[in-house]
Amino acid sequence: SQQGEEDPQALSIQEGENATMNCSYKTSINNLQWYRQNSGRGLVHLILIRSNEREKHSGRLRVTLDTSKKSSSLLITASRAADTASYFCAPDLGNTGNQFYFGTGTSLTVIP
Amino acid sequence: GAVVSQHPSWVICKSGTSVKIECRSLDFQATTMFWYRQFPKQSLMLMATSNEGSKATYEQGVEKDKFLINHASLTLSTLTVTSAHPEDSSFYICSASGPGGGASSKETQYFGPGTRLLVL
Repeated sequence: SQQGEEDPQALSIQEGENATMNCSYKTSINNLQWYRQNSGRGLVHLILIRSNEREKHSGRLRVTLDTSKKSSSLLITASRAADTASYFCAPDLGNTGNQFYFGTGTSLTVIP
Repeated sequence: GAVVSQHPSWVICKSGTSVKIECRSLDFQATTMFWYRQFPKQSLMLMATSNEGSKATYEQGVEKDKFLINHASLTLSTLTVTSAHPEDSSFYICSASGPGGGASSKETQYFGPGTRLLVL
């Protein structure tokens, strides 16, 4: 199974600071997606970056992808208390099933 | 667009009873739906993948007779936890993918809000 592993497991920062979390995976991918989960809720899709892309932006989010290192990073700039959540990456092999095998995620706490 | 709902949000039941959870894609055709379970402070564990009109594919270690999945239409999948026991208590989350939910909806999974099951 293709599982993304997030690092660090937990991150605590002050409001206004930037938060960076990383994802590593093991095999070739079609794309990689990042999701956010607020406590006790479902996952929210944040961004999708394709294997031929190196960087992508969406609002305060910046995602990079390095296929040679099989890694991705998610940067949240000017963090807010509302960004407090768990963040998961989902490497997508692009096969028919499109299954996602999630890692343990990064638990981000933004302190007001 | 790409909204997925789950019903119920919460369910408490007695041991031995069966519980049905519904997952609906509200504004797109969900050709594929996924069911996950999540224990407190842990990651989501994929239980099964279902394609509309065909039998679900279960992940290793997931009992198909225990967790019955039906994906009878392009907007509805159900998960039935049969003869539930306290160890089945968990947070169950569905997701859906398919055409019509956006530029990358075939690749992206859109998640429901989850159903919290407590078996007494």
